[in-house]
Amino acid sequence: AAGVIQSPRHLIKEKRETATLKCYPIPRHDTVYWYQQGPGQDPQFLISFYEKMQSDKGSIPDRFSAQQFSDYHSELNMSSLELGDSALYFCASSIGTRYEQYFGPGTRLTVT
Amino acid sequence: AQTVTQSQPEMSVQEAETVTLSCTYDTSESDYYLFWYKQPPSRQMILVIRQEAYKQQNATENRFSVNFQKAAKSFSLKISDSQLGDAAMYFCAYRSGRTSGSRLTFGEGTQLTVNP
Repeated sequence: AAGVIQSPRHLIKEKRETATLKCYPIPRHDTVYWYQQGPGQDPQFLISFYEKMQSDKGSIPDRFSAQQFSDYHSELNMSSLELGDSALYFCASSIGTRYEQYFGPGTRLTVT
Repeated sequence: AQTVTQSQPEMSVQEAETVTLSCTYDTSESDYYLFWYKQPPSRQMILVIRQEAYKQQNATENRFSVNFQKAAKSFSLKISDSQLGDAAMYFCAYRSGRTSGSRLTFGEGTQLTVNP
């Protein structure tokens, strides 16, 4: 079965640079979620989109922005990167907002 | 705000034995969902089992079952006939039933070791 696709899988950036993470949901899934998991921590919700509209917002820094496109893929844009942004970034998708969320493999971002 | 607590940072079990992972949560909502996710060393988040709050019957998925105590706000995961491949970090998660509140709130996780 098709799964959530995230790219790139690994990304190394320097402080103050920008990064763009991409997420391709499972076919027919119209809802996308972004989570950040720091080392030794549980995943923290950042933001979600349903039918291309922001549906929920969590602890996402102002330096980050995200959107969902007409084909339902989503991009997380991160600017002025800080060392503390180093983490595993997960994208998850679901059908609507009341069904199970299925996670992608994650993008490991390292900021040096 | 909803909170999820896993009080066992680490657990271990012998292969073929049974282990129970604990989870408690706090909410004022009546409509919600609870989940257990597994995160093996690959770091992939894998959905193990889900429970709807309005259902009294405990969910079961093969060797995995839950004990859902709504009044006590407790949601434990039982793994029967433990296998080496069950070794992973297990996260308990809460999700509101509100359409606009579909984010997952996770507990701190329990690292499960399976001994051969």
